[in-house]
Amino acid sequence: TQLLEQSPQFLSIQEGENLTVYCNSSSVFSSLQWYRQEPGEGPVLLVTVVTGGEVKKLKRLTFQFGDARKDSSLHITAAQPGDTGLYLCAGPNYNQGGKLIFGQGTELSVKP
Amino acid sequence: KAGVTQTPRYLIKTRGQQVTLSCSPISGHRSVSWYQQTPGQGLQFLFEYFSETQRNKGNFPGRFSGRQFSNSRSEMNVSTLELGDSALYLCASSLAPGSGTGELFFGEGSRLTVL
Repeated sequence: TQLLEQSPQFLSIQEGENLTVYCNSSSVFSSLQWYRQEPGEGPVLLVTVVTGGEVKKLKRLTFQFGDARKDSSLHITAAQPGDTGLYLCAGPNYNQGGKLIFGQGTELSVKP
Repeated sequence: KAGVTQTPRYLIKTRGQQVTLSCSPISGHRSVSWYQQTPGQGLQFLFEYFSETQRNKGNFPGRFSGRQFSNSRSEMNVSTLELGDSALYLCASSLAPGSGTGELFFGEGSRLTVL
């Protein structure tokens, strides 16, 4: 069974600090996605990484896909209160028709 | 274009009752997936529908069921509600199963509270 494990589960930091969230698996994924979910809303796709070693930047957010396509990281530079939310990594499980499986999420709180 | 629409947004039921949740996917999207989200379990896959057929089913009891209509709209039903069914139920749509890199577009969810 493919599983995605995220760490840390909870993160509370001050505005302006940097942070990294990790998403790991023992299985190879053809791609991984990162979503952000704000309270009372559904998850919203931030980025998809497809190629091993790929790095994508979205303003202050940097996403990296591991060379072996088994892990990914999300780095936020100079975090702001607006970054607060639940960050989820997800990948397609092609053993089960490509359904998307999710990590448990990292709950980030950025205090002013 | 309009996003995924879920109704109702909030509802309260009592144990033993049944509930039906509705989801309208993004126009042109033909695949609809349902997830249950709870603080302890995260997002758990319920089922996926494409062309009115259930393609995948997660590990949930038979009290959880769903269907998809010819216009791609989907409903899920939970019968004989239990306290543990309290959760945010999320619907997500995509063009087709396994299309592209599998991105899903989520609705805002239906928050179910069972008393």
